Amino acid sequence: GQNIDQPTEMTATEGAIVQINCTYQTSGFNGLFWYQQHAGEAPTFLSYNVLDGLEEKGRFSSFLSRSKGYSYLLLKELQMKDSASYLCAVIGNDYKLSFGAGTTVTVRA
Amino acid sequence: IAGITQAPTSQILAAGRRMTLRCTQDMRHNAMYWYRQDLGLGLRLIHYSNTAGTTGKGEVPDGYSVSRANTDDFPLTLASAVPSQTSVYFCASSEGTGDYNEQFFGPGTRLTVL
Repeated sequence: GQNIDQPTEMTATEGAIVQINCTYQTSGFNGLFWYQQHAGEAPTFLSYNVLDGLEEKGRFSSFLSRSKGYSYLLLKELQMKDSASYLCAVIGNDYKLSFGAGTTVTVRA
Repeated sequence: IAGITQAPTSQILAAGRRMTLRCTQDMRHNAMYWYRQDLGLGLRLIHYSNTAGTTGKGEVPDGYSVSRANTDDFPLTLASAVPSQTSVYFCASSEGTGDYNEQFFGPGTRLTVL
């Protein structure tokens, strides 16, 4: 089976930086996605990592270490609109996405 | 450009009733998926279809069936609904089924089975 762990909740202040960790133990690895999901809405794509290292996209960055089964999503210069759930998902040998339970980030003024 | 649409938006259903959730995409994507999302459990794959005419079982297929008669439509049927099927259901699609295949999600259907 697939095991993907991420913290349940995080709180940060507007303008700050937050790092959301994700650890995984899966049957094979063919890539890792991060999705953002606002309350009551559909998940939307944020980032994809398949090789070790950091992928930067504006205020959001995602890091992967395949040997450690570890990824993080870094959100910089937090804005109120960043309050959402962030979903870590891994593609295993079956080429299907397995999702973590999600991390709810609350940005306070 | 609609992307993926789902219907209904929400539904309250009596246990034992049959229900079909509809999903249509206009991106000509080959692969489509049905997930359920429950608090604390994240998104779980129910069924998938890699291409029109084929379907497969995901992590939690029991009590659900799907069909894929054409590229655009991927309905999910609950033959006899039970309260444990109360959930938010998301349909998704992707261009292919390889390693990098971003999935696009529909707006979801909130289903309550009483």
